[in-house]
Amino acid sequence: DIQMTQSPSSLSASVGDRVTITCRASQNIRDYLNWYQQKPGKAPKLLVYAISTLQSGVPSRFSATGSGTDFTLTITSLQPEDFATYYCHQSLHFPWTFGQGTKVDVK
Amino acid sequence: QVQLQESGPGLVKPSETLSLTCAVSGASISAYSWAWIRQPPGRGLEWMGYIDFAGNPTYNPSLEGRVSISPYTSENQFSLKLTSMTPADTAVYYCARVDSIPGDEFMDVWGKGTTVTVSS
Repeated sequence: DIQMTQSPSSLSASVGDRVTITCRASQNIRDYLNWYQQKPGKAPKLLVYAISTLQSGVPSRFSATGSGTDFTLTITSLQPEDFATYYCHQSLHFPWTFGQGTKVDVK
Repeated sequence: QVQLQESGPGLVKPSETLSLTCAVSGASISAYSWAWIRQPPGRGLEWMGYIDFAGNPTYNPSLEGRVSISPYTSENQFSLKLTSMTPADTAVYYCARVDSIPGDEFMDVWGKGTTVTVSS
């Protein structure tokens, strides 16, 4: 299985902060990298697909980059509604796998 | 818009089989792939498997042959069956639509999830 490792596992930030989450795959996953946001008690929501394409309706303060095995999700100016857990996900090889999640909470 | 709704028992006894259904509205299940994902309490997401637009399944080997996913085209639904349930299978179970572009597949629409507890 492809292992997806996110860092950090959690971070504390303030509104307006720039936040960066990294995701490393155990092997090259080409463009098959997606990011999801999950708030407590809610289903995950697709934020980014194919490494860097924002899903429709996702604010432009979110951006994502990367290639091969190393990927990042950045929130340029954290807003109150962005406090959540973020997961990366690879869909190149079965079984599809997720990172362990990065929880962004209030400093 | 596309909506998914999971349904099934909230409580299952150990060794029993879990049966869940995902009802799809706003899209034909014959036009997309469809997945099941679960999340144990306080933990991360686990992809369980999916069926493609033709109804062909692919499963997570970690479930050791206990899982099956089937389409019900006439009802525009698909199902999940998980046999030999144990307390470790206690989780929120989500169904999701799988969309694809050249070079990626991703889960773009999710159900709200249904909580399943395994207990005698």
